[in-house]
Amino acid sequence: SQQGEEDPQALSIQEGENATMNCSYKTSINNLQWYRQNSGRGLVHLILIRSNEREKHSGRLRVTLDTSKKSSSLLITASRAADTASYFCAPQSYNQGGKLIFGQGTELSVKP
Amino acid sequence: EPEVTQTPSHQVTQMGQEVILRCVPISNHLYFYWYRQILGQKVEFLVSFYNNEISEKSEIFDDQFSVERPDGSNFTLKIRSTKLEDSAMYFCASRVRQGNQPQHFGDGTRLSIL
Repeated sequence: SQQGEEDPQALSIQEGENATMNCSYKTSINNLQWYRQNSGRGLVHLILIRSNEREKHSGRLRVTLDTSKKSSSLLITASRAADTASYFCAPQSYNQGGKLIFGQGTELSVKP
Repeated sequence: EPEVTQTPSHQVTQMGQEVILRCVPISNHLYFYWYRQILGQKVEFLVSFYNNEISEKSEIFDDQFSVERPDGSNFTLKIRSTKLEDSAMYFCASRVRQGNQPQHFGDGTRLSIL
C-alpha cells in the first residue's frame, strides 16, 4: 500500500520563521495530498499536487513534488502559533481505490 | 463552506454493547470513508463506500463492523459488540468524485469503551 513517511517527526520553531516538512513514498502516484490535524480534531485538507506538477502554492503554503526522487516538501512561510499542528502527506494512486494511508506525521510547534 | 458533520462528538459505551456512529457527508459527494485513530497512533483506513456498497475494507474492518447509507444523507458505522481496543477517534470523510480530488474529514467521534 502507498504510505508517505514524513520527516522530521517533530519540528519546533519561532513565530515568523519558515517551516519545512518532507515526505517520501515508494511507488508511482497520481497525486500527493497534504493534511493538517490540530490536536483532537479531524484532518483538514491543505493542498493537492498532481504527479505532473512540480510546485504549487496556496497562501503561505508551498508544496513541491519530485517524482524522480519520490519525495515532496511542504513549506509554511512566516509561521504563526495557529500553525501548531500535525502535518501528514498522503500519496495517492488510482489503483488504491481512493483510500488514504497516513504516516506518523510531522508535529509542528510554533512558539509565540 | 460545506462540511462533513459527525455525531456524537463523544460516545461512552460498555464493552459488548453495540454502537452506531453517524456522519453526514457533503451533499454532492459520492465516495465515503471511515478511518480511526487510536490515541497516539496513526490515522488508519477502515472502509470505503461507493454506489451503496463497500468498495474496499482493511483488515481492521472485521465482521463486527458494518456501514450503511440508510437514506440520501447519512452514512453510519456500526460496531456490533464493542471491545476495549475499539476505543479510538473515528473519522468520516467524503470525496466528490474519483480522480485528483481531496477527502473532506469530519471532526470525529471519540469512542470510549469501558
